[in-house]
Amino acid sequence: GQNIDQPTEMTATEGAIVQINCTYQTSGFNGLFWYQQHAGEAPTFLSYNVLDGLEEKGRFSSFLSRSKGYSYLLLKELQMKDSASYLCAVRRDSGGYQKVTFGTGTKLQVIP
Amino acid sequence: SQTIHQWPATLVQPVGSPLSLECTVEGTSNPNLYWYRQAAGRGLQLLFYSVGIGQISSEVPQNLSASRPQDRQFILSSKKLLLSDSGFYLCAWKQGGISTFGSGTRLTVV
Repeated sequence: GQNIDQPTEMTATEGAIVQINCTYQTSGFNGLFWYQQHAGEAPTFLSYNVLDGLEEKGRFSSFLSRSKGYSYLLLKELQMKDSASYLCAVRRDSGGYQKVTFGTGTKLQVIP
Repeated sequence: SQTIHQWPATLVQPVGSPLSLECTVEGTSNPNLYWYRQAAGRGLQLLFYSVGIGQISSEVPQNLSASRPQDRQFILSSKKLLLSDSGFYLCAWKQGGISTFGSGTRLTVV
């Protein structure tokens, strides 16, 4: 099986930086995704990491350490519109098929 | 460009009634399609996936079924809804491992 852990809720101030952590345990690991989901809407893709290191995309960056089973999503220059849930998802090989399992998400509230 | 359509957006159904949610994809052929359910505090749970017409795999035993009558059509059904079937249902297709989701259906079973 697999286990994905991320904090349930976080609060941060507009203009600040926030780091959302995700730890996972799985066999056949083949990549980690981050999705953003605003309340009542569908998730949208943010980033994908398969190798160790930091991937930067504008105000958002995602980091992966495969040996530690750890990832984080870094949001800089926070804006009010960044208030949303952030889902960590792990991809693994399972019998020739690639499965993706989602964490329960971290609800981020950005305050003025 | 590829788009995914899902309807209805919201649905309120009584216990014991049937269910049919439809998802269609445009701009791609032979897509891998998925149905997820998102219940409060439980994250996205994969219900079914399909790699082609008539090919359905179920991830968890439940009161629901899925069908793929056409290449770009994926249907989620139930003969008799339970209260526990309430949730946010999302259809998705996947390319290069990245999931693109439909707009979702908020189902409330009363």
